[in-house]
Amino acid sequence: GAGVSQTPSNKVTEKGKYVELRCDPISGHTALYWYRQSLGQGPEFLIYFQGTGAADDSGLPNDRFFAVRPEGSVSTLKIQRTERGDSAVYLCASSPRGDLLAGNNEQFFGPGTRLTVL
Amino acid sequence: AQSVTQPDIHITVSEGASLELRCNYSYGATPYLFWYVQSPGQGLQLLLKYFSGDTLVQGIKGFEAEFKRSQSSFNLRKPSVHWSDAAEYFCAVASVNTGFQKLVFGTGTRLLVSP
Repeated sequence: GAGVSQTPSNKVTEKGKYVELRCDPISGHTALYWYRQSLGQGPEFLIYFQGTGAADDSGLPNDRFFAVRPEGSVSTLKIQRTERGDSAVYLCASSPRGDLLAGNNEQFFGPGTRLTVL
Repeated sequence: AQSVTQPDIHITVSEGASLELRCNYSYGATPYLFWYVQSPGQGLQLLLKYFSGDTLVQGIKGFEAEFKRSQSSFNLRKPSVHWSDAAEYFCAVASVNTGFQKLVFGTGTRLLVSP
């Protein structure tokens, strides 16, 4: 596809369960970002990948959250022992390069995965 | 702490009327500013960005924004609103304080367009 895709679009789970959220970035984009958007809030940064490595994971709220990007393309956000407070829309974005200030560089966002923890 | 404030939670504008959405930032360093639009079921789309130079920035869909350092503001404007502009609008900032790779978003302003 031409844009960033995320699967599933909706995920309902029970408290304490494990979930995985998938992001397919735009082909060729080296930088990938995860954000979390709670109801009535703006997106909140979680983690940034440059290639296969997590260059900045300072936004992950605690050690229940983990993300990987093993081949430098698809990324998976993993949440263990989910809590009701984890309910939110999880957004993925990719960009050709990591530096947002570089010319003609911007983050392209996917439609998000809506996670509901019951 | 760094912050971006969008004081208006929602705004209603008549179709054809002008629009101004407010954004204020609080940063110690030079800010790099963005406006995004989010339509239902759609991903965030970049409208425009300001890094340096001319403080009046033109974007897509007829939007523009003006950076005013003295007021720490980066307000979004459009001279004539169309019904298709109804959406949520987010102001965001990236700065050397947080690392260039991170965007810090405001809480958003929901734009409603009345006939």
